[in-house]
Amino acid sequence: GQNIDQPTEMTATEGAIVQINCTYQTSGFNGLFWYQQHAGEAPTFLSYNVLDGLEEKGRFSSFLSRSKGYSYLLLKELQMKDSASYLCAVRDSNYQLIWGAGTKLIIKP
Amino acid sequence: IAGITQAPTSQILAAGRRMTLRCTQDMRHNAMYWYRQDLGLGLRLIHYSNTAGTTGKGEVPDGYSVSRANTDDFPLTLASAVPSQTSVYFCASSVEETGGTDTQYFGPGTRLTVL
Repeated sequence: GQNIDQPTEMTATEGAIVQINCTYQTSGFNGLFWYQQHAGEAPTFLSYNVLDGLEEKGRFSSFLSRSKGYSYLLLKELQMKDSASYLCAVRDSNYQLIWGAGTKLIIKP
Repeated sequence: IAGITQAPTSQILAAGRRMTLRCTQDMRHNAMYWYRQDLGLGLRLIHYSNTAGTTGKGEVPDGYSVSRANTDDFPLTLASAVPSQTSVYFCASSVEETGGTDTQYFGPGTRLTVL
């Protein structure tokens, strides 16, 4: 079966750096997405990786290793507004997104 | 309108009743999707449509039906609601570009409770 694994919850301090890991086993691979979802709101797109390596976008970076079935989202200079759930999703061979359950990130002052 | 809208925002429904969740996008996206989101689980695809006039089944289609009469609208119907359909329902859309990023954009969601 297809599987996306992420930690359920993480806690970090304002101003610090946090890394959220995602491992996947899917039938085929056509890209990996990270989305942010604040409580009670819709998911919003953060990043997309299809080739191995690091994609940087301001305070957020995303890394992919296809051979290891592994990705991480790196958040720098954490702000209170970064408190949210972070969803990892892989596009499979049918071009459908398979979603992880999400990682709830709690930022403490 | 800008983006995707969904209606209603929330609904409490008696089991056995019929319910249609509405979704409209104004981005002229070809593809549209319906997901449900339950606590502790990832988003699960119910139905999708790659273009107007076509629909397909996702991971959890039982008890749901969709139609895609035009580009903008993609309603989801529960023919006879059951308590296990209590969930938050998200509609999403994308350009539908095979080989490209094809990012999905989400509506604000409908919180449905079936009693």
